[in-house]
Amino acid sequence: AQTVTQSQPEMSVQEAETVTLSCTYDTSESDYYLFWYKQPPSRQMILVIRQEAYKQQNATENRFSVNFQKAAKSFSLKISDSQLGDAAMYFCAYRRTGNQFYFGTGTSLTVIP
Amino acid sequence: NAGVTQTPKFQVLKTGQSMTLQCAQDMNHNSMYWYRQDPGMGLRLIYYSASEGTTDKGEVPNGYNVSRLNKREFSLRLESAAPSQTSVYFCASSELGGKVRDEQFFGPGTRLTVL
Repeated sequence: AQTVTQSQPEMSVQEAETVTLSCTYDTSESDYYLFWYKQPPSRQMILVIRQEAYKQQNATENRFSVNFQKAAKSFSLKISDSQLGDAAMYFCAYRRTGNQFYFGTGTSLTVIP
Repeated sequence: NAGVTQTPKFQVLKTGQSMTLQCAQDMNHNSMYWYRQDPGMGLRLIYYSASEGTTDKGEVPNGYNVSRLNKREFSLRLESAAPSQTSVYFCASSELGGKVRDEQFFGPGTRLTVL
């Protein structure tokens, strides 16, 4: 079974600084997608960024970028210029061909003013 | 578009009571999912429906049943609620697995407490 591991239950960052959230996954597939979701206190799950496994180039969405290391099965999220609104639970997720998604246990990010 | 809607938003049950959580999506997605979220456990898949007319067990199906009523609606039923089922429940939808890049879209969640 696929597993997704987020080894940092909690992280904190000073406002305007940069923080990196870690995610590793286990798979024998070659074609898959990876996602980072944000869950603010409202509980709504919001897609932050996605990465196609066949693309070597790391995905970027404004202040959010990933460091995708396929051989190491690592998919970290970097948040630059952190803002108070970035405070949330962040989940890493994996999807292979098919319909199931696999989620990590989440990292709670605190942004310190 | 409302996206994915869930009812109710909050519910308190007594042990042994039954209830059905409703979910509907208006994005014409084929696949729908039910998750539960518990502290430190992340999101765990209860059941999913790859397409209308099919349902499959996920990681934690015991104590639950589902019905894919039509393409839009996917309900989750607790026949005899137990305190261990106290959780936040999320419904989600996505396109069929062939389009692997498609993410899941989530409802706002239902906070269920079983006393």
